[in-house]
Amino acid sequence: AQTVTQSQPEMSVQEAETVTLSCTYDTSESDYYLFWYKQPPSRQMILVIRQEAYKQQNATENRFSVNFQKAAKSFSLKISDSQLGDAAMYFCAYRSANTGTASKLTFGTGTRLQVTL
Amino acid sequence: DTAVSQTPKYLVTQMGNDKSIKCEQNLGHDTMYWYKQDSKKFLKIMFSYNNKELIINETVPNRFSPKSPDKAHLNLHINSLELGDSAVYFCASSHSKTPAYEQYFGPGTRLTVT
Repeated sequence: AQTVTQSQPEMSVQEAETVTLSCTYDTSESDYYLFWYKQPPSRQMILVIRQEAYKQQNATENRFSVNFQKAAKSFSLKISDSQLGDAAMYFCAYRSANTGTASKLTFGTGTRLQVTL
Repeated sequence: DTAVSQTPKYLVTQMGNDKSIKCEQNLGHDTMYWYKQDSKKFLKIMFSYNNKELIINETVPNRFSPKSPDKAHLNLHINSLELGDSAVYFCASSHSKTPAYEQYFGPGTRLTVT
């Protein structure tokens, strides 16, 4: 079974600064997808960014980028130019590419990000 | 336009009662899910349906019974509610032909059992 570990329960960053959230995972599979979801106080789950394991290039979405290290099974999220609206819980998630339609997400325990002035 | 909607958003009930949570998606997706988020914010899959067929059934008490009347709807019925059932329940959907099977989540239903 796959597991996802987020070792930072809480992080803090000043507005306009950069912060990196860590995620590691354990799997014996070679083909899979990784995601970062954001959950603000409204509790809505919002997809931030995704990475296909077969792609070497790190995904980027505006101020959000990932550092995907397949051999190390590491998938960190970098938020640049942090904004107050970035304050939220961030979840790392894994999905196997080999299960057809049984595409469940396996989540980490989350990192609460605080953004200060 | 709400992509994935859930009703109700809040549900407070007493132990032993039976309750249902409804979920609807207007994204044209063919796969729907129920996730449970506990008090420590941990999210875990409960069920998944593809084209109205149950494809994922994690270790969940028999008191929980999902029903999918069509591809756009997935309901969750809970019998004999217990204190430990208090949690936020999320519905999600995806399309099996979408690369990476991105899942879109509903707003969640906070269930409180007293």
